[in-house]
Amino acid sequence: SQQGEEDPQALSIQEGENATMNCSYKTSINNLQWYRQNSGRGLVHLILIRSNEREKHSGRLRVTLDTSKKSSSLLITASRAADTASYFCATDASNFGNEKLTFGTGTRLTIIP
Amino acid sequence: DTAVSQTPKYLVTQMGNDKSIKCEQNLGHDTMYWYKQDSKKFLKIMFSYNNKELIINETVPNRFSPKSPDKAHLNLHINSLELGDSAVYFCASSFRGWGEQFFGPGTRLTVL
Repeated sequence: SQQGEEDPQALSIQEGENATMNCSYKTSINNLQWYRQNSGRGLVHLILIRSNEREKHSGRLRVTLDTSKKSSSLLITASRAADTASYFCATDASNFGNEKLTFGTGTRLTIIP
Repeated sequence: DTAVSQTPKYLVTQMGNDKSIKCEQNLGHDTMYWYKQDSKKFLKIMFSYNNKELIINETVPNRFSPKSPDKAHLNLHINSLELGDSAVYFCASSFRGWGEQFFGPGTRLTVL
């Protein structure tokens, strides 16, 4: 079974609005990361949040982590057309130091100009 | 400068053939990975190498053989290609096998 599952699977919003994506996972983790993938491209790292952190910011991005609920959310504020992409959460639940990321199913975000 | 590069970008081949995908990173990272992304965009790790040593080997058919000649390169050789191998293969790298991973542009493999 997949470790991470994003919700919603697809999201369309008007430019300027905020976009929120959620990620749920099943096991204890060391860290959780969010990546963006533009169509036909590789993934780009956005932000990493450790298991002992609850919130992190990077520019227009805000990530929260609730380990008791095994969930994370990614908020993109003041969305732009360039934010159109798929967004993936990835969890590291490795035991022996070498990170092994398990990716979620992704949220397809479309920003309508 | 390209950080993680892969060649070729597209690969179309017949069932039963053998093919290779090359990956190089110029970031000075010591850990490299291969991922497979299927048609539903689900991304799954296949292998990881740290300083040329195999660290992660998921349940991948042994038709897939990674080779790391040095820590900047991780190639993927696939024998006896099958229809189900059609996917996009991504190479990635990280520093000390932890944290942010840098992905290559992907190689779209189509097996006919």
